[in-house]
Amino acid sequence: DAKTTQPPSMDCAEGRAANLPCNHSTISGNEYVYWYRQIHSQGPQYIIHGLKNNETNEMASLIITEDRKSSTLILPHATLRDTAVYYCIVTPYSGAGSYQLTFGKGTKLSVIP
Amino acid sequence: DTAVSQTPKYLVTQMGNDKSIKCEQNLGHDTMYWYKQDSKKFLKIMFSYNNKELIINETVPNRFSPKSPDKAHLNLHINSLELGDSAVYFCASSQAEGTPLHFGNGTRLTVT
Repeated sequence: DAKTTQPPSMDCAEGRAANLPCNHSTISGNEYVYWYRQIHSQGPQYIIHGLKNNETNEMASLIITEDRKSSTLILPHATLRDTAVYYCIVTPYSGAGSYQLTFGKGTKLSVIP
Repeated sequence: DTAVSQTPKYLVTQMGNDKSIKCEQNLGHDTMYWYKQDSKKFLKIMFSYNNKELIINETVPNRFSPKSPDKAHLNLHINSLELGDSAVYFCASSQAEGTPLHFGNGTRLTVT
C-alpha cells in the first residue's frame, strides 16, 4: 500500500505555478520522497527526490516540511505538456536492486489554457 | 535514441497462449525492473534484477518468468495467459539503489 496521500485531481492555469501537495505522515528517517509523473500512454517519468532539504532541478522544486510529514512539488510555470498524473512516493534505500517504488493513485494535474 | 525500449507496444492474444515481452536499455544501468499497471491504473513492481540476478520477486504467479540474458536486457515470458493478465507492463532500469528509474513506454497486453 502507498504510504502517501494526494488529492485526486487539480487544475492549474497555463503559465502559473502548479503546487502539488503530498502527505506522508508515517515517513521513516531513512525514507526519501520521490516524485514521478505519467503522461497519458507513456511510462512514468522521474521528476525529483529529496530526504530533508528542499531540492530544485530543471523540472521542478521539492519543498519538504521540517517534520518531513508532508511535501509540495512545484512546477514553476506550468505548460499544457505538464498535464499528467503526478505520483508522490516514499521509499527507503535497502540494498542494490531491492528498493522499490510503490505507486499510489497520484494527482491528476490538468493544465488549462 | 531510446533509453528503455519495449517490444511489442501492443499484444493481443487468446487465453492459454504463451507470450514474451522484450526489454532493452542502453543506459548502462545495473538494475532492471518489470512493473504491471492494472485497469485501475495502479503500478506495482513484479520483479527486479541486479546484474542479471533476481532481487525482487513480488507475489507474481509462476506463469511469469523473467529472463535476463545480460545486463541490458530483461525479458518477460508469460505462460498460459489468463484474462486477468490483461494490463500494461512497464520495464524500467536504474543505475543503482535509490537512483531514478527510467521507464519504457509500456506494452499493452490484452488477453481475450
